[in-house]
Amino acid sequence: AQSVTQLDSQVPVFEEAPVELRCNYSSSVSVYLFWYVQYPNQGLQLLLKYLSGSTLVKGINGFEAEFNKSQTSFHLRKPSVHISDTAEYFCAVIRSSNDYKLSFGAGTTVTVRA
Amino acid sequence: KAGVTQTPRYLIKTRGQQVTLSCSPISGHRSVSWYQQTPGQGLQFLFEYFSETQRNKGNFPGRFSGRQFSNSRSEMNVSTLELGDSALYLCASGDGLNYGYTFGSGTRLTVV
Repeated sequence: AQSVTQLDSQVPVFEEAPVELRCNYSSSVSVYLFWYVQYPNQGLQLLLKYLSGSTLVKGINGFEAEFNKSQTSFHLRKPSVHISDTAEYFCAVIRSSNDYKLSFGAGTTVTVRA
Repeated sequence: KAGVTQTPRYLIKTRGQQVTLSCSPISGHRSVSWYQQTPGQGLQFLFEYFSETQRNKGNFPGRFSGRQFSNSRSEMNVSTLELGDSALYLCASGDGLNYGYTFGSGTRLTVV
């Protein structure tokens, strides 16, 4: 079985401050890891993904994440946020090979204030 | 490249009715997945189709069904609607490589 835990349900942050969204997963097999963002009344947009290789993954809009296998974590970071980063963020996993479904965490709502 | 198109955007149905939602994937993509999003349960996987074959299915009752056509367009059907089926239904289009899933804007279903 696998599950995804997003450790913070809400993260308020000031504009231009850094932000970190925490994600832990549990799985008995290797996984592929993803971060998605959802703006109000929209679908999900892929920010970045880890499939293999370098554990530091860079994504769109200045976001990056680090895969830590020993801690089973995949935390998302941005060094300086903008008002437009206000959204809900989802961490997700896919088990490697023959599994095509994304299992999502509960989401983290990021609110950026001026 | 056109994105993933889901129709309709909004839908209101009465309990007991059935509903069909449509998803047109990105041109050339052969994988289509469906997800249900609710405030209480979050994002849950319904099923995934690849080249007209269902490859994976989530833990939903048999009232939820789907299919994929030869042009990769997919439909999802929910029969005997219940109030709890009210949700945002999202479709994801995949190229079958590198797990590059692109989501549509969703269909907001309200059951009254």
